[in-house]
Amino acid sequence: AQSVTQLDSHVSVSEGTPVLLRCNYSSSYSPSLFWYVQHPNKGLQLLLKYTSAATLVKGINGFEAEFKKSETSFHLTKPSAHMSDAAEYFCVVSGVLGQNFVFGPGTRLSVLP
Amino acid sequence: DAGITQSPRHKVTETGTPVTLRCHQTENHRYMYWYRQDPGHGLRLIHYSYGVKDTDKGEVSDGYSVSRSKTEDFLLTLESATSSQTSVYFCAISTADTQYFGPGTRLTVL
Repeated sequence: AQSVTQLDSHVSVSEGTPVLLRCNYSSSYSPSLFWYVQHPNKGLQLLLKYTSAATLVKGINGFEAEFKKSETSFHLTKPSAHMSDAAEYFCVVSGVLGQNFVFGPGTRLSVLP
Repeated sequence: DAGITQSPRHKVTETGTPVTLRCHQTENHRYMYWYRQDPGHGLRLIHYSYGVKDTDKGEVSDGYSVSRSKTEDFLLTLESATSSQTSVYFCAISTADTQYFGPGTRLTVL
């Protein structure tokens, strides 16, 4: 069985400061891991994915995430927040071939001016 | 956006009425999914399809049925809508290792 924990339901940062959104997963086999972003009243957009290649994954809009197997973590970071980053972020673990996606509950990121 | 459209985008209905949501894709993907999104739960899988006429249940399938008579269309039906089915519904397709999502349908059951 797979599961995802997003440790913070809401994170608030000031514009220009770093962003850290935390994700821990549980999986009985080598997982694929994803981060999706959802802006208000919009659909889900893929930010980045880890599928057993490089452990440091770079995504769109300056985001990156590092897969740490020993810590079962896949935290999302960005060096400098922008107002447009305010959104809901979902961490996802999946099994083989893009099937069986299990979503975390989401973290709402607020960016203060 | 993986060529996924959903219709309608918004719907308000009354308890006990049937409702059908449509997902349409243009890229001939084999796998299609229906999720519901509720605050604090992320997205939860309702049903999925692995080919024409091939479907299976997900985590929260009670009260929902699906059909797929053509590769491009995946229909989600609420036979008798209840207030607990008020939600945002997303359709998705999968490529080799990733899922891509449609724009969503906001359903309100009064």
